[in-house]
Amino acid sequence: LAKTTQPISMDSYEGQEVNITCSHNNIATNDYITWYQQFPSQGPRFIIQGYKTKVTNEVASLFIPADRKSSTLSLPRVSLSDTAVYYCLVGVLTGGFKTIFGAGTRLFVKA
Amino acid sequence: SQTIHQWPATLVQPVGSPLSLECTVEGTSNPNLYWYRQAAGRGLQLLFYSVGIGQISSEVPQNLSASRPQDRQFILSSKKLLLSDSGFYLCAWRGGATNEKLFFGSGTQLSVL
Repeated sequence: LAKTTQPISMDSYEGQEVNITCSHNNIATNDYITWYQQFPSQGPRFIIQGYKTKVTNEVASLFIPADRKSSTLSLPRVSLSDTAVYYCLVGVLTGGFKTIFGAGTRLFVKA
Repeated sequence: SQTIHQWPATLVQPVGSPLSLECTVEGTSNPNLYWYRQAAGRGLQLLFYSVGIGQISSEVPQNLSASRPQDRQFILSSKKLLLSDSGFYLCAWRGGATNEKLFFGSGTQLSVL
């Protein structure tokens, strides 16, 4: 699986847009990029996934440049409840593959 | 719809005692199943994963073992707990139509004293 690198932590204020970038220089052709969110004492939950260009859902946007060596999770107008750890994962969408999480990015949203 | 059940929610065990954590998935068949552990303030460590009944892959040498006696049941065990086994244990599954996503249980907070 491709190794990922994310900032350890980020601070933001309510109402701001937050962008978290993940580097995955050795991403393979078949790899997808998936982001998860984890609150304290809970399991991670899926946020968004993409392969290339831009993906948007009701929660976030995911920007992936043409070389796919990085990706950026964009959270519009964050609130206090967006304070969480965000994980970037890169891997193939086939059954049975082991899913390894990196250290993630701890986002702290202030009032 | 699919659901995942994990229990107990919290557990306090003395050093040297056995452990059994159970995870079951409903609403899907032949899921890929995972056990993760998370130490306080740390990331998730993959412990075991299984692609089918009786098929277990271990990622980290440790004091733990896993079994999959039924298609939708995944059990994490230990014969003798160590202090270092304390942590937040999470079961997860993927498979079926949404095989690109991992779905996690609610977790078990294990304290070994």
